[in-house]
Amino acid sequence: NAGVTQTPKFQVLKTGQSMTLQCAQDMNHNSMYWYRQDPGMGLRLIYYSASEGTTDKGEVPNGYNVSRLNKREFSLRLESAAPSQTSVYFCASTWDSRQPQHFGDGTRLSIL
Amino acid sequence: ELKVEQNPLFLSMQEGKNYTIYCNYSTTSDRLYWYRQDPGKSLESLFVLLSNGAVKQEGRLMASLDTKARLSTLHITAAVHDLSATYFCAVDISNAGGTSYGKLTFGQGTILTVHP
Repeated sequence: NAGVTQTPKFQVLKTGQSMTLQCAQDMNHNSMYWYRQDPGMGLRLIYYSASEGTTDKGEVPNGYNVSRLNKREFSLRLESAAPSQTSVYFCASTWDSRQPQHFGDGTRLSIL
Repeated sequence: ELKVEQNPLFLSMQEGKNYTIYCNYSTTSDRLYWYRQDPGKSLESLFVLLSNGAVKQEGRLMASLDTKARLSTLHITAAVHDLSATYFCAVDISNAGGTSYGKLTFGQGTILTVHP
């Protein structure tokens, strides 16, 4: 019973490099989300996908793109990484908004 | 823009004591969530509050929601060391059509430390 699986768990990039963070859920959830968590702050929504085939911006979308590949998978891409994108990234999913979101273990990303 | 503010941000408690964490938010919502996060770990759902006056309890934790005051509380009864963690509230805003997509805005978090 994996729940929400994120890969990789850790990554170090150089400024300007690109990378894709992967997220997969096995709970048949409709909605998926990407958040970032910075020290001393709560989580901030980057992008979300309310259902398969749809994506929309959250609070802090600049510098990111997403793909809802199928119902299970929702990826987050950094096209040209910047030091300000150093953060812990969490993926989450839920059946509907009356239910809690289930979170993955996070990806710790450092950009030098 | 929705603002979600928690207080206190840091809470040091003695075992056996009671305390309350407050979560204020700035716009209309009737969906509020509480999560727990241990250091270096993921977030764990504690409570989902979906209507005015909702109250939920699990063990030593009890959460309530007052949508008119735009306030939720997380009350800790007889704290124990295992409750040491960071607690977040998060608010979901419905869009203009009344449909919610689970777009959560989180508070800053309250770091709770329980001492013997």
